[in-house]
Amino acid sequence: AQKVTQAQTEISVVEKEDVTLDCVYETRDTTYYLFWYKQPPSGELVFLIRRNSFDEQNEISGRYSWNFQKSTSSFNFTITASQVVDSAVYFCALSGGPFGNEKLTFGTGTRLTIIP
Amino acid sequence: NAGVTQTPKFRVLKTGQSMTLLCAQDMNHEYMYWYRQDPGMGLRLIHYSVGEGTTAKGEVPDGYNVSRLKKQNFLLGLESAAPSQTSVYFCASSRRLAGLSTGELFFGEGSRLTVL
Repeated sequence: AQKVTQAQTEISVVEKEDVTLDCVYETRDTTYYLFWYKQPPSGELVFLIRRNSFDEQNEISGRYSWNFQKSTSSFNFTITASQVVDSAVYFCALSGGPFGNEKLTFGTGTRLTIIP
Repeated sequence: NAGVTQTPKFRVLKTGQSMTLLCAQDMNHEYMYWYRQDPGMGLRLIHYSVGEGTTAKGEVPDGYNVSRLKKQNFLLGLESAAPSQTSVYFCASSRRLAGLSTGELFFGEGSRLTVL
């Protein structure tokens, strides 16, 4: 069975601080994808990134960066110089299913609050 | 563009009543999903579909039925609502790429259901 653990339930940081959201996953699949989604206060979930299991290169997109480490089954998300607009619930997710990639298993989410 | 549209947005039911949530997407996506979101539980997959005329069970399918008679629509039914089904329901869709879902889910705004 697949599992995604986001141990940090809530995090609060002061604006402009850096913050890292942790994600640990479990899967027996040799090929899989990892994702991060953002749920702002408006409620609608928004896709942030997809990373496949064969690509362990870190990725940076503006103030966002992701660190994928297969050895520790982790896919952590760092926001640099946080802003109030970053306040949201962030979900890590793992793909799987009998046909390969059709189901996503989500973690329980981390609520991030940026204090102005 | 509408993207993924869910109706209704809010509904209050009495125990034992039935209802149907409608999800419509205009992106010609093959995959469609129904998730429920509960506090501290993250998003849990109820049912999903890999194409028109197909449905499959997710993590928490009991008490729900689904149908995908048209590619653009995915219906979620509650035959006899129970208080445990009080939740926020999200519909999502994704496209197929190289025979698999991209995993990039496009979500609707959510439907808040309360069962008294």
